[in-house]
Order: sequence, then C-alpha cells, then structure tokens
Amino acid sequence: QITLKESGPTLVKPTQTLTLTCTFSGFSLSSNGMGVGWIRQPPGKALEWLALIYWSDDKRYSPSLKSRLTITKDTSKNQVVLTMTNMDPVDTATYYCAHRKPGMLDFWGQGTLVTVSS
Amino acid sequence: DIVMTQTPLSLPVTLGQPASISCTSSQSLVHSDGNTYLSWLHQRPGQPPRLLIYEISNRFSGVPDRFSGSGAGTDFTLKVSRVEAEDVGVYYCMQATQFPLTFGGGTKVEIK
Repeated sequence: QITLKESGPTLVKPTQTLTLTCTFSGFSLSSNGMGVGWIRQPPGKALEWLALIYWSDDKRYSPSLKSRLTITKDTSKNQVVLTMTNMDPVDTATYYCAHRKPGMLDFWGQGTLVTVSS
Repeated sequence: DIVMTQTPLSLPVTLGQPASISCTSSQSLVHSDGNTYLSWLHQRPGQPPRLLIYEISNRFSGVPDRFSGSGAGTDFTLKVSRVEAEDVGVYYCMQATQFPLTFGGGTKVEIK
C-alpha cells in the first residue's frame, strides 16, 4: 500500500524559503521507473504541477518556477524534499506530493496548506 | 506548454442520470512511445485528488465501472453512466505526455 505525507511550515513570510518534505511508504525511490512529484493548488483554484524527481535522480521542473525550485531525494529515509525560494503571497496554496508511474500520478498525499503572509 | 481545456466548468446532474465531461489539449497527447498519457482525477471537497482513469480509458484500481474514458489525439471524454452522491466534486484531466505536466481547469459536478 502506497502512502505519502507532506510536512512543513503552515506559515511563511514573504521572501522566505519554503521547505517541504514528502515522506512515503509502500515503494522504493531506488526502483526503476519510480518517481515523486509535487503539485500545488491555491484556494479554490486548479492544480499546478511543480516538480518531479525520478529514481535515477533525474529532475524536472515547471519552467515558470524553475529558478525558485529545488527537488531532492533521500532514498534511505523514503523522503523527497522540495524547496521554493522567495515566497510570495500568491504562493499560498495546498502543496501535494504524489507517486509517479509512467504517465500518471496514482497516489497522492493529503496535502499541506502553506500560507504566505507577513 | 500543453494547454488542457475542460468543458463545462460546472455540471449540475440528477442522481442516477449520466454525466459527461470533455477535455481538449492544445497538442496531440500521443507520446513517442505510442501511448497517450491522458488521465482523469476526482477531488472531493477538502480531499486530495484521486486517480480515476489513466491512458485515456483504463480505470485505476478500485474505481467503479460507471466511470469510463474515451478519446484520442487531442479530444477526450470522461463519462459517468449513473451519477451517485459520492461523485460530487471537481474533475480534472491531466496530461503526462510532455513536460511540464499540465491540468485542465476543472469541472465542478454537483447534484441538482
């Protein structure tokens, strides 16, 4: 059974760096084909894909946010970390991590709401 | 980026009646490997999205057979044969053929 859970601060100030951790179980990120992605959803709005990391350590980023994002993995801890620099109130959203199989995001975490406010 | 456009934005439905949602992509979603990575997700209020359909028409594990997907190229459809109360929420199409992954704007399904 695959599960994922996001953790991190619920409130950050403008210009600060956000660090979110996705802790997962039920699969290994060292297994061929596996990946973990991050997606966010501003309140009342649609989903927006942010980043993805593969078992091979290959990484992909949203072009519009690439300069602000870094995704890393710790296979021994079953964790994936996303950092986003220079946070702004428009970055207020629920942030989700999800398990990736080829062509799909099949299991999602519950999400964590991050509010950006001074 | 591939733009995903869903219609309608809102869909009032009667319990037990069918429902249909359309999704159009700005480019063909056929991957170089021959597969089409178009999926449908459902998000109930206050819940994370959950995968319903992948590769156009394959139901994910545990998804009732009243849900079906169809389409090809740039035009796709999600159908619910008989809507149940638990089907309310927002439905999203998503393409994973090309980076960046992109989602449709969502279709809100509510009971009349």
